[in-house]
Amino acid sequence: AQSVTQLDSQVPVFEEAPVELRCNYSSSVSVYLFWYVQYPNQGLQLLLKYLSGSTLVESINGFEAEFNKSQTSFHLRKPSVHISDTAEYFCAVSDAAGNTGKLIFGQGTTLQVKP
Amino acid sequence: EAEVAQSPRYKITEKSQAVAFWCDPISGHATLYWYRQILGQGPELLVQFQDESVVDDSQLPKDRFSAERLKGVDSTLKIQPAELGDSAMYLCASSPARNGYTFGSGTRLTVV
Repeated sequence: AQSVTQLDSQVPVFEEAPVELRCNYSSSVSVYLFWYVQYPNQGLQLLLKYLSGSTLVESINGFEAEFNKSQTSFHLRKPSVHISDTAEYFCAVSDAAGNTGKLIFGQGTTLQVKP
Repeated sequence: EAEVAQSPRYKITEKSQAVAFWCDPISGHATLYWYRQILGQGPELLVQFQDESVVDDSQLPKDRFSAERLKGVDSTLKIQPAELGDSAMYLCASSPARNGYTFGSGTRLTVV
């Protein structure tokens, strides 16, 4: 079984400052890792994913995450945030060898970008 | 860009009443998921379909919840009777493979 822990429930940050949202996972098998973003009263949008290959993955809007197998982490970073990045961010994991694609989500981190 | 359609967007129902949600996945996506997201928490899988067959419904409260995907395309999730603790966002997602999928905008259910 897998589990995901998002270490911060809320992260307040000023506009144009860097940010890191932390995610640790637990699994006895190989995993795929994901970050999703959710705006108020909306569904989840895929931000980025790690399936294999390069451990550093990037999104089109400046976010990046690094898969660290030894630390079992997949932290999300952005060097300079905008007001529009204010949202709920979810880290998720799925069994890479399984055949269901079931996602296990963390509890979420609220990113609050202040002007 | 193709989307997963869900309706209604919002639903208020009284305790003990029946309620139903509808989902139309992206065309060609064989796998369909229903997740429940309680306020302040991450989503949790309720049921997964592969075409018209249920793959995983281990977390579905079967005494009051039911889900179907009769022709392997759109799907309906039903709750009867609704309880106060069922208030949540119900999210549908579809996928062509195992490595990430597309979510709909969800149905926000409030049970009063």
